[in-house]
Amino acid sequence: EDQVTQSPEALRLQEGESSSLNCSYTVSGLRGLFWYRQDPGKGPEFLFTLYSAGEEKEKERLKATLTKKESFLHITAPKPEDSATYLCAVRSPNAGNNRKLIWGLGTSLAVNP
Amino acid sequence: ETGVTQTPRHLVMGMTNKKSLKCEQHLGHNAMYWYKQSAKKPLELMFVYSLEERVENNSVPSRFSPECPNSSHLFLHLHTLQPEDSALYLCASSQDPDRRNTIYFGEGSWLTVV
Repeated sequence: EDQVTQSPEALRLQEGESSSLNCSYTVSGLRGLFWYRQDPGKGPEFLFTLYSAGEEKEKERLKATLTKKESFLHITAPKPEDSATYLCAVRSPNAGNNRKLIWGLGTSLAVNP
Repeated sequence: ETGVTQTPRHLVMGMTNKKSLKCEQHLGHNAMYWYKQSAKKPLELMFVYSLEERVENNSVPSRFSPECPNSSHLFLHLHTLQPEDSALYLCASSQDPDRRNTIYFGEGSWLTVV
């Protein structure tokens, strides 16, 4: 069964303390892995799309990487404004069709000043 | 101007009421989606429209009725809801539902059923 698991469920960091969030997946024929950021009470905001193992993308303090089994979202020297829930989703042809994304439950990140 | 706009942002309705959620996208996309987000659950896809035609309906109860009058507007009509329907309802759009492209979300409509 296609599945996406994010860890940890929650993470608390001090400002400047770098860390990584994990998204592991079990899908056949990955057609894209997506990272979104969601602030409380708001809709998810698109961050990155990764398509093949070895691919990396960066945006400010965030860097996303992809292997054949998992993706990491590295946060370098985080600031309090990076506090949010980070969602991971994958698109797999086995999910019925290409219209469906398989979502993880997210990692809730809190960065203390 | 945000790409995907949802109204209202908050809605409280009784179980016998009829209300509608509205979504408008300004991105020139051809596909629009309704998602439900509940605590401790992954995002649940409800409906997908492609060029105003419904192409996905994930066994959603009939008390939720979508409408897509054109490729820029999407509605979710609500009637005789249950308290367990209380959730954040997210509208989203993408260029095409079947190809490599990104889904962009609106801010969401918080629904409370009392």
